[in-house]
Amino acid sequence: GENVEQHPSTLSVQEGDSAVIKCTYSDSASNYFPWYKQELGKGPQLIIDIRSNVGEKKDQRIAVTLNKTAKHFSLHITETQPEDSAVYFCAASTTGGFKTIFGAGTRLFVKA
Amino acid sequence: NAGVTQTPKFQVLKTGQSMTLQCAQDMNHNSMYWYRQDPGMGLRLIYYSASEGTTDKGEVPNGYNVSRLNKREFSLRLESAAPSQTSVYFCASIRTGGFSSYEQYFGPGTRLTVT
Repeated sequence: GENVEQHPSTLSVQEGDSAVIKCTYSDSASNYFPWYKQELGKGPQLIIDIRSNVGEKKDQRIAVTLNKTAKHFSLHITETQPEDSAVYFCAASTTGGFKTIFGAGTRLFVKA
Repeated sequence: NAGVTQTPKFQVLKTGQSMTLQCAQDMNHNSMYWYRQDPGMGLRLIYYSASEGTTDKGEVPNGYNVSRLNKREFSLRLESAAPSQTSVYFCASIRTGGFSSYEQYFGPGTRLTVT
């Protein structure tokens, strides 16, 4: 069945450094790729998303890139801050977002 | 707006007991979802409801039933709880129909332990 693989499972960076999380998906019909941030004890919250007709999208310190041919997409966080520490999930879904497949998550630690 | 609310926040059940997890959203969203979250496995879809009056199975539906009571409410029922159903359960809703984003709005979760 459809699958989304996410790497790494844990990432530790120094404050101010960049962090990169990578995902691959298997369903070539996927056309919507959101990234969610989950803080301890809370539900996931969308931080950025990208559609398949766009190769890159940026929002302040966060950017996402998509390579449809390779079925890869990545999250880039620059100038990391301690408040970026959380679990990040990538996901892929087809039209309408009815069935979204999530990656296993990356726990990011930003050390002050 | 309260967004997506879930009750209860925590629950401990004995094997074989039943319970219903409640979810409600006040954003007038058409679609609602139930996920379970287990360590190292991300979020897995149990059931979803694309619109009021319809429900469909997700990736891991066995042992669960759902009811879309109205547009606002979507409940998840465990008829005979098993230790394998120990997990954190999240409800989510999404607006559909011609938008560029399919952002899912998640509730705060229900932490369920089955002994």
